[in-house]
Parts: sequence; structure tokens; C-alpha cells
Amino acid sequence: GENVEQHPSTLSVQEGDSAVIKCTYSDSASNYFPWYKQELGKGPQLIIDIRSNVGEKKDQRIAVTLNKTAKHFSLHITETQPEDSAVYFCAASTGVRKLSFGAGTTVTVRA
Amino acid sequence: EAGVVQSPRYKIIEKKQPVAFWCNPISGHNTLYWYRQNLGQGPELLIRYENEEAVDDSQLPKDRFSAERLKGVDSTLKIQPAELGDSAVYLCASSLYGAGTEAFFGQGTRLTVV
Repeated sequence: GENVEQHPSTLSVQEGDSAVIKCTYSDSASNYFPWYKQELGKGPQLIIDIRSNVGEKKDQRIAVTLNKTAKHFSLHITETQPEDSAVYFCAASTGVRKLSFGAGTTVTVRA
Repeated sequence: EAGVVQSPRYKIIEKKQPVAFWCNPISGHNTLYWYRQNLGQGPELLIRYENEEAVDDSQLPKDRFSAERLKGVDSTLKIQPAELGDSAVYLCASSLYGAGTEAFFGQGTRLTVV
């Protein structure tokens, strides 16, 4: 089955700096890569996703890049703000089959 | 539009007791998932439904866990009997169709087995 690895497990950044989280996946058939943000006591919420026919996608301060050859994808958050502090999960799916999640990255934005 | 609704939010039970979780997905979503999230880890799939059919239950511990999705809408996940290792957050999610479309998660049920 699909195996998704995520790094780093924790990330502390100064407010205004950028944060980068990296994930690798094992199944070359994976074609959907969402990123979820989970705040304390809440369920994960989708923040951005990318499909295998696209190399990069941006939404305001958030961007995701995908390298299909290397089987890795990354989340970039620019101009970080205190409200960006949360746990972020990457995930991968081959389409209709299950979504496999990484172990998560705890991001702390220092004021 | 209401999101995915789960109940209860919290449950504390003694080991060997039964417990049930309920989920109401977003209206019109064909796919429903139950995930288990252990502390400090990502969600792990327990079972996935397409309408009322369980299409992926390979990770469900069938000796003690059961699930149903009657009429392809609401779903119930049951554990009987519960063990200490079952303590976790149980998340329900739904998507329009399959794992290639956005999955919307409920707030989860935090289960503590003592």
C-alpha cells in the first residue's frame, strides 16, 4: 500500500518567515495530494491540494509543489502568522482508493 | 451547509465495555470514511464506504470493531469489547466521490478507555 513520509515532525519559525514541509510517497500511481491543517480539538481541514498533472499550485500565502519523478511534494507557507500555528498533514491517494496520511508536522509561529 | 457531524465529542469507558460512535456526512456525499488518529500521528483509515457498501475495510479489526451505513447516509462505528489500546480520536469524513476528491472531516470523538 501507499506509504507517506513527512518531515520535519516539528517546525518553529519566526512570524513573517517562511515554513516548508516535505513529504515523500511510495506509490507511483498516486495522483492526488492534499494538505490538511488540524487545530487543537478539531478535525483536519483541507488547505490546498494538487493533482499529478500540475507541478505547482498557489493560494495566497500557501503553495504546494509536486515532483512526480522524485515522488515528493512540499507545502510552502510564506509570511507566517500566529494563526498558522497548527499540525499539518500531507496525504496521497491513487484516486478512488484510500487517502494515506503522513505523521504530521507541528508548526509553531513565534511572535 | 452543515459539515460532517459526529457524536459524541468525548467518551470515557471502562475496558471490556461496548461503545458506539455516530456520523452524519455532508448531504450528497457518496463516500464516507472512518479514521482513527492516535496521539501525535496522522489519521489511519479503518473503513471506507461508497454509498452503503463497505469497499475497503482491510484495516478494521473485525474481531471487535463493526460498522454500518444504512441507506447510504449516516454511519455507526462500534467497538465491543473496548481495550485500553483503543483510546484515540475517531474521525469521520465524507467526500463527493472517492479518495480523489476533497474529504471533509468531522470534529472527531475522543475515546478514552480506562
